[in-house]
Amino acid sequence: KQEVTQIPAALSVPEGENLVLNCSFTDSAIYNLQWFRQDPGKGLTSLLLIQSSQREQTSGRLNASLDKSSGRSTLYIAASQPGDSATYLCAVRPKAGGTSYGKLTFGQGTILTVHP
Amino acid sequence: NAGVTQTPKFRVLKTGQSMTLLCAQDMNHEYMYWYRQDPGMGLRLIHYSVGEGTTAKGEVPDGYNVSRLKKQNFLLGLESAAPSQTSVYFCASSYPPGGGEKLFFGSGTQLSVL
Repeated sequence: KQEVTQIPAALSVPEGENLVLNCSFTDSAIYNLQWFRQDPGKGLTSLLLIQSSQREQTSGRLNASLDKSSGRSTLYIAASQPGDSATYLCAVRPKAGGTSYGKLTFGQGTILTVHP
Repeated sequence: NAGVTQTPKFRVLKTGQSMTLLCAQDMNHEYMYWYRQDPGMGLRLIHYSVGEGTTAKGEVPDGYNVSRLKKQNFLLGLESAAPSQTSVYFCASSYPPGGGEKLFFGSGTQLSVL
């Protein structure tokens, strides 16, 4: 059974800092990995999706990397801002085959607070 | 741009009552999902569908039923609600693998079962 772990559970940083969020998974047979952002009382918004054949994806100040063989992904946020405060979750999709595509497994998230 | 719409947004039920949560998406996505989110447990998959007329069990399907009669709609039913089903329920949709697999989420339904 796939298990996804995110460390740290919570992180508080001053504005302007660069930071790294970690995601690890136990089964390396994944199809892709996604990073999401969730604001309080809201749904999840997909930030970055990395296919299993890719090493990283970038969007603005966000960079996500994937090391499938070691079961790890990191989300790097550059020059953090108070507006980045949210919960960040990663999720893995199992490797292609049958209908298992649907069974995404989520980590429990990292609560990020960026203070002015 | 509507995206994924969930109704209702809030609901309070008494133990034993039934209800249906509705999810509608206007992006022509094949895949649709129902998740529940609980403190300390994260997001857990209840049921999902890979196309109209098909459904499959996820990680925590007991006590729930689903139907996908139309491609754009995915219904989640609770036949006899229990306090353990108090949670925030999220619907999501996506294209199948190879067609762009980013998940799009609704804003959630807060359900309390007394």
